[in-house]
Amino acid sequence: QVQLVQSGAEVKKPGASVKVSCKASGYTFTDYHMHWVRQAPGQGLEWMGRINPNSGGTKYAQKFQGRVTMTRDTSIGTAYMEVSRLRPDDTAVYYCARDKDSSSSPDFDFWGQGTLVTASS
Amino acid sequence: QSVLTQPPSASGTPGQRVTISCSGSSSNIGSNTVNWYQQLPGTAPKLLIYSNNQRPSGVPNRFSGSKSGTSASLAISGLQSEDEADYYCAAWDDSLSGYVFGTGTKVTVL
Repeated sequence: QVQLVQSGAEVKKPGASVKVSCKASGYTFTDYHMHWVRQAPGQGLEWMGRINPNSGGTKYAQKFQGRVTMTRDTSIGTAYMEVSRLRPDDTAVYYCARDKDSSSSPDFDFWGQGTLVTASS
Repeated sequence: QSVLTQPPSASGTPGQRVTISCSGSSSNIGSNTVNWYQQLPGTAPKLLIYSNNQRPSGVPNRFSGSKSGTSASLAISGLQSEDEADYYCAAWDDSLSGYVFGTGTKVTVL
């Protein structure tokens, strides 16, 4: 069965970086794009970007370009999302999500359990 | 600020039909397919409807989606207590070159 298992909660000081992992199992990792979505406390969902695990190619939301880096390690079926220069308003639950068709119109059929990142001094 | 607008809340009694609207523009809903996600309290979102009106395996047929022009709708018929959740529409936006979510609608079962 398809599973996406994310790394544990993180507490970081403003200005630091955080790297969240998402380990995929139950399917061929390189066959599906992986996206990242975040949700601030009590707020809605916000798309951050995606990585093509096969090529390593990335596409970021304009808001996060230059501050977010998505990578992958195909040998262990894991995607990573790093946010640099953290600000307090980056405090959120970060989700990885698999794109069902890896098409131009994404739809996310499997999600990780979420990773709470807290940016606070 | 989201480019897809939903009503903040909707409610109904068990067995009723509830409809949630999602208003966008020509660059998102008008030119791409719409998906709907259900988020139960404290859990990750779940794909409820994809490609405007398709249900993934396991999603009850009480849930249905439709799209017309730059708007989309999610209908829940035969409302049940377990349907109490937040619902989000979403679509690719060609102008932003990114995926956008709606503002979200909290459904309450009275």
